[in-house]
This record gives sequence, structure tokens and C-alpha cells, in this order.
Amino acid sequence: AQRVTQPEKLLSVFKGAPVELKCNYSYSGSPELFWYVQYSRQRLQLLLRHISRESIKGFTADLNKGETSFHLKKPFAQEEDSAMYYCALSGGAGNMLTFGGGTRLMVKP
Amino acid sequence: GAGVSQSPSNKVTEKGKDVELRCDPISGHTALYWYRQSLGQGLEFLIYFQGNSAPDKSGLPSDRFSAERTGGSVSTLTIQRTQQEDSAVYLCASSLGGHLYGNTIYFGEGSWLTVV
Repeated sequence: AQRVTQPEKLLSVFKGAPVELKCNYSYSGSPELFWYVQYSRQRLQLLLRHISRESIKGFTADLNKGETSFHLKKPFAQEEDSAMYYCALSGGAGNMLTFGGGTRLMVKP
Repeated sequence: GAGVSQSPSNKVTEKGKDVELRCDPISGHTALYWYRQSLGQGLEFLIYFQGNSAPDKSGLPSDRFSAERTGGSVSTLTIQRTQQEDSAVYLCASSLGGHLYGNTIYFGEGSWLTVV
């Protein structure tokens, strides 16, 4: 079985502060991990995936297989980062995408 | 259209009535997914279609829920004898060739269902 846990439902930070959204997963094989974002009144969209090892909008996420984590980080939060963030896992080809419960990030001015 | 299209965007129905939600995936996408987004509950997987393979129905919460995909394109999610706990946003998504490495899932805007 595959499971994704986001322990924080709400994370509130001030503009310019570092932010880390936590994600832990459970999967017996080699998973593919993702972060999805949903801005207010917009559809859910892909933010980044671990295999790309890229930085999108200043966000990065490193897959830590030892800790089974895929935390999302940004050194300096911006107000426009305020959104709902979902961590997701896929077991590979033909496998469904399992989402965590989501974390609402609020960046205060 | 360019994206995943869902209809209706909003639906209010009386408890006990049946509802049908429609999803029109991106042209050429063989994989189609239904998720449910409830307040405070995150995204719950419902069902997954991939090409001509048998769908993965493991996420359907009860036998009141069913889905079909005709001609490998449009999908309909049907909820029979709706209950108040069925109130949620129902999200459809599609991807090219299933959820392989490098394929991105694209989501629709969702159908907001309210059961009164």
C-alpha cells in the first residue's frame, strides 16, 4: 500500500521567511514523488517532481529515501506563494497517484 | 479545448437523488482519473482508467459510486442515492499514456457537488 502524510494542515509564515512543507511517504518500492499546488480559484497543477531535480518558483524538494520524506522548501517566502500544497506519490507505470492531505500555506506581509 | 473539462461546475441535489458528473479529458490522453476533494480531507482517489485495461476501482467508497469511460475518451462518474457526506469537489484528471515517468497529470476545475 502507498501512503502520503502531510502533518501540517496549516503553515503560516511572514514574507521573506524560510518555509518548509513536510511530506512523508510509505511505499515498498521506488516511488515517484511530486508536489502539486492549488492557488485560490485555480485548478490543481504540478509544481515539481523529484526526478527533475529542478527549482520551480524558488521551491525545491529532495527525496530522502532513508527518512522516506520529500519536504518542500523555499528560502524566502513570497505572498504569492500562499496556496494549498499537496504532496503526491506514484508507484510507477500505470500506478495511481496518491495524495497527502494537503498543507495550506499562508504568507503574511 | 486545451484542458480537462468538467461539467457541471456546480450541482445542488436533494438527498437520495442520482447525479452524473462528466469529464472530457485532454485529447489523446489515455489515462483518466477521478478524485474527490472534501473540506479538510485532502484528495481522495476514486477510480483510474488506462487505455483498454480494466479500471482500477479500488478507491470507490461504496457501491453507490460507479464510473465509465466511453470510447476511451469522455468519462461519467455516477453517484446513486446521494447522501450528504457525498458533498465534495469531484476532480477529474488526465495524462498521456498513464502515470509514467515524465508524464504530467492535468486536472480539471472540478464539479462542486452539494447534497441537501
